[in-house]
Amino acid sequence: DAGITQSPRHKVTETGTPVTLRCHQTENHRYMYWYRQDPGHGLRLIHYSYGVKDTDKGEVSDGYSVSRSKTEDFLLTLESATSSQTSVYFCAINQAGAEETQYFGPGTRLLVL
Amino acid sequence: KNQVEQSPQSLIILEGKNCTLQCNYTVSPFSNLRWYKQDTGRGPVSLTIMTFSENTKSNGRYTATLDADTKQSSLHITASQLSDSASYICVVSARGGADGLTFGKGTHLIIQP
Repeated sequence: DAGITQSPRHKVTETGTPVTLRCHQTENHRYMYWYRQDPGHGLRLIHYSYGVKDTDKGEVSDGYSVSRSKTEDFLLTLESATSSQTSVYFCAINQAGAEETQYFGPGTRLLVL
Repeated sequence: KNQVEQSPQSLIILEGKNCTLQCNYTVSPFSNLRWYKQDTGRGPVSLTIMTFSENTKSNGRYTATLDADTKQSSLHITASQLSDSASYICVVSARGGADGLTFGKGTHLIIQP
């Protein structure tokens, strides 16, 4: 799985609570991405990082924040979870950006009640 | 707006048969097109990646074609196996920018014994 792990793999939380998802890589890749996948939609980019402390917004960034303090870790935080954020979240990595194949993690299934 | 349309939405075939999945895109400026396989409950895995100058690429029993003039791609699966049951996602990359990916919604393929 290209040296990518996500934690937790499953989480159930309540509306209004903060949630942090972690993506960890052992490949020393420069780029890391967070996507969400929902029925009827393709994968949609939430945020991405192009280096330590370098992040940018994606298509569906509202309600999410990210941090990358080390090359190997990329954190996604839902400051106050809402039911619309129930989804499967995937982390992806690569070395050279969007024009290069991405390697995806196993996903985190989040249910917000 | 960049778009990727895949057809059919779902497909059921018998083991051993061949099938072809379609992808039409309107992404500019075009950089490359990828096909991913996503098994249930797992992250997508890259099958092929093609640039503008490539019109066919194979990966075992998977053969992808690209017609950059008509902006169409196909993924042909030969002698299908039960393990081919999965969703197949077409992804098109635009040149420039780390977030320049457009994902299709996928074709859900079921192989029946």
